Amino acid sequence: NAGVMQNPRHLVRRRGQEARLRCSPMKGHSHVYWYRQLPEEGLKFMVYLQKENIIDESGMPKERFSAEFPKEGPSILRIQQVVRGDSAAYFCASSELAGAYNEQFFGPGTRLTVL
Amino acid sequence: DQQVKQNSPSLSVQEGRISILNCDYTNSMFDYFLWYKKYPAEGPTFLISISSIKDKNEDGRFTVFLNKSAKHLSLHIVPSQPGDSAVYFCASNAGGTSYGKLTFGQGTILTVHP
Repeated sequence: NAGVMQNPRHLVRRRGQEARLRCSPMKGHSHVYWYRQLPEEGLKFMVYLQKENIIDESGMPKERFSAEFPKEGPSILRIQQVVRGDSAAYFCASSELAGAYNEQFFGPGTRLTVL
Repeated sequence: DQQVKQNSPSLSVQEGRISILNCDYTNSMFDYFLWYKKYPAEGPTFLISISSIKDKNEDGRFTVFLNKSAKHLSLHIVPSQPGDSAVYFCASNAGGTSYGKLTFGQGTILTVHP
């Protein structure tokens, strides 16, 4: 059973471009979380999605950031008009069940560099 | 507002000795705590957890202790091995949610010397 897949692993964008990060959860998992890790910091919750629904986006910046988890295909985190401060590692995690005590399995992350 | 704090950025230990990693939290709503281990260029992997109804949980070489009155938890690794060298994150659920919204500490870099 393949783990959580994220691509690309590394992404370089110039200021003002769009970044699109993909996450394929583990087979059978329908709950996806996105976290961001800025340099020298811990992971910070961004958004929690179930298939076709955004449940909690309280950690997402109000502008330029959006996320989706369509019925078919991977979850997408989209960052429009990137700025240097968006440079970070973005991790996706998935879980089989929704409960607060269910293990989240993390992907390897996408490292975004904004020039 | 750092609700989960790991005040030691790094820890260096000799192989075979005990490693103790510490974590403090401020939110009394937190009722479930986890430790994750992270190698460079990889995602975090779950290590061990503890519910607030317990004060200790043990899994092989790893033991987590929870002191609710002090809002403090610690991870003990004994004996430490070079393969344990990694970044260790303490995390907690947000409390009051029915899903796994985790709050992480800043991490502690553990280096185990042969």
